[in-house]
Amino acid sequence: EVQLVQSGAEVKKPGESLKISCQGSGYSFTSNWIGWVRQMPGKGLEWMGIIFPSDSDTTYSPSFQGQVTISADKSINTAYLQWSSLKASDSAMYYCTRLDSSGYSHWGQGTLVTVSS
Amino acid sequence: SYELTQPPSVSVSPGQTASITCSGDKLGETNTCWFQQKPGQSPLLVIYQNYKRPSGIPARFSGSKSGNAATLTISGTQAMDEADYYCQAWDSSTVIFGGGTKLTVL
Repeated sequence: EVQLVQSGAEVKKPGESLKISCQGSGYSFTSNWIGWVRQMPGKGLEWMGIIFPSDSDTTYSPSFQGQVTISADKSINTAYLQWSSLKASDSAMYYCTRLDSSGYSHWGQGTLVTVSS
Repeated sequence: SYELTQPPSVSVSPGQTASITCSGDKLGETNTCWFQQKPGQSPLLVIYQNYKRPSGIPARFSGSKSGNAATLTISGTQAMDEADYYCQAWDSSTVIFGGGTKLTVL
């Protein structure tokens, strides 16, 4: 069974750094792209970017380019989303999702990030 | 990039047919997917490649596309179908989501 398990909720202060994770299991992790999606409170889905864990080829949405970094460690089947300096506006639920021939058919459970002073 | 436009809300009576539209200037050039999201849950893929249903998705969910508009149709809508629905398409190597439609089953 394909599973994407994300790291737990985070509470951070503005200016702090953060790295959240998404661990895949039940499939060959290096064979599928992993995307990240933001959902701000009460709002819609926003695609942030995608990574191919085999070679770390990455594409960012223009809206998120330079704002976050997507990476992966194929040795532990894990993809990451990180911020160097959080802002209050980064408070949101973040989902990882696997891209396959059907599209984004598998999703993680989400990681809630709260940034507040 | 371009935008995908969905109606903010759609209401339907139980047992009736609900239709949710998604329009975009380049939608005719790419495949469309649809996601269902219930409160507190992750999105669920219900339609891919315009009209195909993933395993486990009830047959009452169907998709279609004509020109630059895609439609998600739910036949015989049930109370459990009340949720937010998002269309999704590709723009070159990036992904675009519609703004979402809240389906209310009255």
